[in-house]
Amino acid sequence: DTAVSQTPKYLVTQMGNDKSIKCEQNLGHDTMYWYKQDSKKFLKIMFSYNNKELIINETVPNRFSPKSPDKAHLNLHINSLELGDSAVYFCASSQQQGASGGNEQFFGPGTRLTVL
Amino acid sequence: AQSVTQPDIHITVSEGASLELRCNYSYGATPYLFWYVQSPGQGLQLLLKYFSGDTLVQGIKGFEAEFKRSQSSFNLRKPSVHWSDAAEYFCAVAGSLDKLIFGTGTRLQVFP
Repeated sequence: DTAVSQTPKYLVTQMGNDKSIKCEQNLGHDTMYWYKQDSKKFLKIMFSYNNKELIINETVPNRFSPKSPDKAHLNLHINSLELGDSAVYFCASSQQQGASGGNEQFFGPGTRLTVL
Repeated sequence: AQSVTQPDIHITVSEGASLELRCNYSYGATPYLFWYVQSPGQGLQLLLKYFSGDTLVQGIKGFEAEFKRSQSSFNLRKPSVHWSDAAEYFCAVAGSLDKLIFGTGTRLQVFP
């Protein structure tokens, strides 16, 4: 069974469109994350949710809106897509969120978004 | 500010040779450190982690890493590299709220 899954794996779309990426984890974890990996492979956190509550919002444009219907799912909706949004988006989960860090995060396979 | 530096963008080794990938971190408190590997087109897989205790940490696939507080380093090593080790390697430190701060990665190429 896949621990952290994402759909779709590839997403090609036009500028200005709205799209969503879905993430599901079957590990029973409380915390989920979205990371963005740019064309130079640099990984940066975007959001984290703990038990459906937004914890980290890392100065991401408000065109990006995460939604967590339950603690096993964290979706990412992007409005008015721009060329600069092209990247690989990774979902991750961890057992619980600690104030001082240290919980192992399990990553999904990534969604490659290409904006034309 | 918390940060991670991986000085080597690209490393090439021959199969069977030893490997050391460098990682330096900047963090005010006791760091929680990780090494992840990303194979082409794949997600990230955890190789090993350091939270406390023994400064030499063993991981999967024959990798190990040594935490050196005096040098703010957490270098990854493997005594004998296999062709399947060719991948991108990321060092990371966990900041507050488990936010992972990644280095820029080191691409490992393995020649037969």
